[in-house]
Amino acid sequence: AQSVTQLDSQVPVFEEAPVELRCNYSSSVSVYLFWYVQYPNQGLQLLLKYLSGSTLVKGINGFEAEFNKSQTSFHLRKPSVHISDTAEYFCAVTPTGRRALTFGSGTRLQVQP
Amino acid sequence: ETGVTQTPRHLVMGMTNKKSLKCEQHLGHNAMYWYKQSAKKPLELMFVYNFKEQTENNSVPSRFSPECPNSSHLFLHLHTLQPEDSALYLCASSQEAGPFSNQPQHFGDGTRLSIL
Repeated sequence: AQSVTQLDSQVPVFEEAPVELRCNYSSSVSVYLFWYVQYPNQGLQLLLKYLSGSTLVKGINGFEAEFNKSQTSFHLRKPSVHISDTAEYFCAVTPTGRRALTFGSGTRLQVQP
Repeated sequence: ETGVTQTPRHLVMGMTNKKSLKCEQHLGHNAMYWYKQSAKKPLELMFVYNFKEQTENNSVPSRFSPECPNSSHLFLHLHTLQPEDSALYLCASSQEAGPFSNQPQHFGDGTRLSIL
């Protein structure tokens, strides 16, 4: 079985500041990793994914994440946030051979002016 | 129309009612999913369909009954629900590429369900 832990339920940050949203996972098999964003009253949107290759993954809206196998982490970063980045962010994993995602509990990013 | 579309966006029903949620995808995907998103809880996978066949049922109560008539449409039939079933129900689809699919899932905007 897999599990995903998002250590911070809420992250307040000022506009144009850098941000890091933390994600750790546990799994006995190899996994693929994803970050999704959910804006208010909308469904999930894929930000980025790690399947293989380079451990630094770049996604949409200026976000990037780094896969660290030894620390079983996949933290999401952005060097300078905007008010429009205010949303809920979900980390998720899928083990190879399965079709379904296991999600973390989410981190609410609140960007303040 | 593109992407994953869910209807209705909002639904209020009594515990004895029967209603259905609908999901339609225009992405040419072969796999479809139902998720439940409750307040303060992680997303929960409910059902997975691949090429119209149910491949996973994550211990969901029988008052939720899925139906997948083809790869583009997915329904969730609701009957005798409980107040704790109030949640956002999300549909998703993905392109199936063999048994080791790593394709990302595309989500709809969800149906907000309230049980009175």
